[in-house]
Amino acid sequence: AQSVTQLGSHVSVSEGALVLLRCNYSSSVPPYLFWYVQYPNQGLQLLLKYTTGATLVKGINGFEAEFKKSETSFHLTKPSAHMSDAAEYFCAVSHFGYGDMRFGAGTRLTVKP
Amino acid sequence: EADIYQTPRYLVIGTGKKITLECSQTMGHDKMYWYQQDPGMELHLIHYSYGVNSTEKGDLSSESTVSRIRTEHFPLTLESARPSHTSQYLCASSENRIRVVTEAFFGQGTRLTVV
Repeated sequence: AQSVTQLGSHVSVSEGALVLLRCNYSSSVPPYLFWYVQYPNQGLQLLLKYTTGATLVKGINGFEAEFKKSETSFHLTKPSAHMSDAAEYFCAVSHFGYGDMRFGAGTRLTVKP
Repeated sequence: EADIYQTPRYLVIGTGKKITLECSQTMGHDKMYWYQQDPGMELHLIHYSYGVNSTEKGDLSSESTVSRIRTEHFPLTLESARPSHTSQYLCASSENRIRVVTEAFFGQGTRLTVV
């Protein structure tokens, strides 16, 4: 079985500060990992994904995430937060042979001016 | 422009009514999904499909049904709506590639309120 745990349902940072959103996964086989962002009254939009190869993955809007197998983690970071980054962020896991993708409970990011 | 569409965006309906939430995609994706989303909770998979005439139940117990008669269309039906069905419903689609997992593309969601 596979699952995702996102640590912290709410994260608040100041504009210009580092953003760190935590995601740990559980999977018995090599995982495919994803980060999605959801703005109010919208669907989910892909930020970045890890499939195979390079463990540091760069995505849109300056976000990146690092796959650490030993820690079963896939934390999302951005060096400098912008007001427009305020949204809900979801981590997800899947692997070949599974029909679906499993999501975490989400982390709401607030950016203070 | 390739996209995935859900209608209606918002729906308020009385208990006991039958409703169908529509989802269509223009990307030619074989795999489609319905998720239920509640605030502060993980997205729960309700149904998914690998292609035409294929439907599978997800891990969330649900009184809903789906059909997949055409590749681009994956409607979700509630035969008798109840207040417990009040939620946001998200439709998604993805490619079905051999030995590769691809990302899912999501519609904007349908917010359902049953009164």
